[in-house]
Amino acid sequence: QSVLTQPPSVSGAPGQRVTISCTGSSSNIGAGYDIHWYQQLPGTAPKLLIYGNSNRPSGVPDRFSGSKSGTSASLAITGLQAEDEADYYCQSYDSSLSGSVFGGGTKLTVL
Amino acid sequence: EVLLLDSGGGLVQPGGSLRLSCAASGFTFSSYAMSWVRQAPGKGLEWVSAISDSGGTTYYADSVKGRFTISRDNSKNTLYLQVNSLRAEDTAVYYCARRMTTLTTFYFDYWGQGALVTVSS
Repeated sequence: QSVLTQPPSVSGAPGQRVTISCTGSSSNIGAGYDIHWYQQLPGTAPKLLIYGNSNRPSGVPDRFSGSKSGTSASLAITGLQAEDEADYYCQSYDSSLSGSVFGGGTKLTVL
Repeated sequence: EVLLLDSGGGLVQPGGSLRLSCAASGFTFSSYAMSWVRQAPGKGLEWVSAISDSGGTTYYADSVKGRFTISRDNSKNTLYLQVNSLRAEDTAVYYCARRMTTLTTFYFDYWGQGALVTVSS
């Protein structure tokens, strides 16, 4: 059971917009800690996608965006492409656990 | 180019030990905190441990506290994870990652390719 809750799977057709939610609690997202997102393509290491709730590292397309509100956060992907098919993880800090925590991951399928 | 190269994984019996290494290049290693994150087969990511840039401060997840030891050799640009008293549930790919900070939290901007640790008799 992950501290941060993500839907196990989402799907969308090429060109569509999808969102992935990440729900936490008062000891992590609700406490004001930033959310970060990672993309993990099959058989590869995770890659930083969004940091500090809504910032994109250099090289990440602006089709990817992040937001945070209250005890939840969301990753939005617009103009869905086949290459976006991957697992996506949110990550933050939890004051009760005194450490970094990840969501359980969401598998994105491009139909 | 920032590169992190994980090594040292393998098959080990329950109760056994291993030392994982992460060779860093392309950045000033001694200026950055580092972490280990693991991923059990078919499962999600789990933060394991972190170490400050100087090596003077270390942090552990409760699941590994007392069994794992993180360390670094800044003269060799290398991060280590000594894993002892291994259990079946420690079977995972172990990734080293460079740790960055925002005003409130930490995140991981570069990752190694991972080292597979399999605990089985």
